[in-house]
This record gives sequence, structure tokens and C-alpha cells, in this order.
Amino acid sequence: ELKVEQNPLFLSMQEGKNYTIYCNYSTTSDRLYWYRQDPGKSLESLFVLLSNGAVKQEGRLMASLDTKARLSTLHITAAVHDLSATYFCAVQENRADKIIFGKGTRLHILP
Amino acid sequence: DAGVTQSPTHLIKTRGQQVTLRCSPKSGHDTVSWYQQALGQGPQFIFQYYEEEERQRGNFPDRFSGHQFPNYSSELNVNALLLGDSALYLCASSLTGSNEKLFFGSGTQLSVL
Repeated sequence: ELKVEQNPLFLSMQEGKNYTIYCNYSTTSDRLYWYRQDPGKSLESLFVLLSNGAVKQEGRLMASLDTKARLSTLHITAAVHDLSATYFCAVQENRADKIIFGKGTRLHILP
Repeated sequence: DAGVTQSPTHLIKTRGQQVTLRCSPKSGHDTVSWYQQALGQGPQFIFQYYEEEERQRGNFPDRFSGHQFPNYSSELNVNALLLGDSALYLCASSLTGSNEKLFFGSGTQLSVL
């Protein structure tokens, strides 16, 4: 059964700093998603990563995928307060339709 | 173009009751998935509907059932509600065969008293 683990689960950081959130998964997959969720809100799609070595960037966020290591990273550059939210990694099983989410990383950026 | 719409936004029920949640997918999407998100947790996959049939199911009891209509909209039914069913229920739509991302609705917050 596919398992998705994120770390850290909670991160408090200063504005202007860089940090990385890690997502490990247990079985073969070639489709990985990153989502953002603000308190009391739904999920906002950030990135879809479809192949080994895929890298996508949007503003201060950059996501990458290493399918051989079963690892994805979400890198935050020069964090700003507006990036405070919970970030979820989600992995789609090969030849299946369901998507398994990690527990989320709650990111708090201090001004 | 409307995205994924869910109704109602909030619902309060008592134990033992039954509830129906509704979802209209994004225009052009044919697949609907339902997720349960407990407070402080990641969303858990309940099931997915395509061509009016349940295509895949997560680890949820038979009290959770669903339906998809010819216009691709979907319902989630939960019978014999338990306190532990209190959660945010999210609907996501997609187009089968596409590499497009999932689009999520705003969710229905269900409270079981």
C-alpha cells in the first residue's frame, strides 16, 4: 500500500530565509502533486510533477521529483509571510486513480 | 467558467442520521473523487466515480456510498453517522486520461453531534 511521508510536519521560519520540505513515498509512482491549504479553505494546486527529474518553479516555490529515490522536494526561497499555510504532497499510484496525501507541513513564517 | 462547486458548505447532523453531499465538477471534467479531511490531517481518499460507476475505493466502510449522474455531477451519501465522521468533505474533479491537475471544491464541513 502506498504511503506518503512529509517532513517536517511543522516549520516556523523567519522571513527571507530558505527552506525545503521533503516528501517520501513508498511505491512506484510517476505523478506527484503539491497543494497549498489556508486555514478553513480548500486545496490550491501548486505543481504537478510527471517524470523523473521534473522541476517546476512558481515565484518563491520550486518543486522537484526524483522517482528513483521516491522523493520530492518543495523549496522555498526568501520566504515571505504570505507563504504561511499548510503544504501537502500527494502521490498517485501507478495504474490506479486514487491519490494519497501526506499529513501536510504546517509552515509559519514570522515577519 | 465555474470551478468545482459543492453544497452545502456547512452541515450539522446528529449521530445515526444520514447525509447527502453534492458536487458539480469543473466544466469539461468527467471524473469526480471524494476525500475526507479530518482536522489537522491530510485528505483521505473515499472513492472515485467515472462513467457513473465507482472506479476505485479507499478504506471506508459501506456506510459511505456515492453516485454519479449523466451530467458528471456526483453525490456522497453517509448513513448511520458517527461522531468520527465529522470532517471537511472535499470533492475533486479531473479529466480521465489527461495529465491535468485535480481541481478541488471548497468542501462541505460536516459536524456530527
